[in-house]
Amino acid sequence: DAGVIQSPRHEVTEMGQEVTLRCKPISGHDYLFWYRQTMMRGLELLIYFNNNVPIDDSGMPEDRFSAKMPNASFSTLKIQPSEPRDSAVYFCASRKPSGGYGTDTQYFGPGTRLTVL
Amino acid sequence: GNSVTQMEGPVTLSEEAFLTINCTYTATGYPSLFWYVQYPGEGLQLLLKATKADDKGSNKGFEATYRKETTSFHLEKGSVQVSDSAVYFCALSGGNTPLVFGKGTRLSVIA
Repeated sequence: DAGVIQSPRHEVTEMGQEVTLRCKPISGHDYLFWYRQTMMRGLELLIYFNNNVPIDDSGMPEDRFSAKMPNASFSTLKIQPSEPRDSAVYFCASRKPSGGYGTDTQYFGPGTRLTVL
Repeated sequence: GNSVTQMEGPVTLSEEAFLTINCTYTATGYPSLFWYVQYPGEGLQLLLKATKADDKGSNKGFEATYRKETTSFHLEKGSVQVSDSAVYFCALSGGNTPLVFGKGTRLSVIA
């Protein structure tokens, strides 16, 4: 299996620009998670989906952040407009359907390093 | 609610030293427990897990035992290598909810 795929791996943009991060979960996984990691705040859960439906978005920091999952194999995290304090590494993770052995393990992508100037 | 507390880092050890990273948890029910590792510039990878009390997870020379009586899941390795330098995260599973992670412990191993 290819694992969780994220693109781009690095993104540099200027303040005020729109940024879109992309994630392809592992095939057959029906949970998808978006995290943000910074030195100051550590690893933060932003939002997660089950069967393409957002379940909990309480971690999304502001209305500037939005996430969608139009189908089982693709999700986006959008920041509009971006600000320097959004600079971080953004991770996507996926998990198998609940029930049975090994279904609670989350598999992470390599991350997107975002720099907002 | 569920929570995980792990020792603050950074931890610096010489090669071949013994490693312990403490992790304690608070949870309702019977969660699964995990250790994830993050190497520089990479995402988090599952290192080991245990699904019930007294289970021992092991991988790459690392071990951790699920201790229900002390609500702990300490990570140990008998002889660390420079290549073990990474950030280690303890986590617990609450069933259908996302994993709850500790804040991470940075380990540096010097030759």
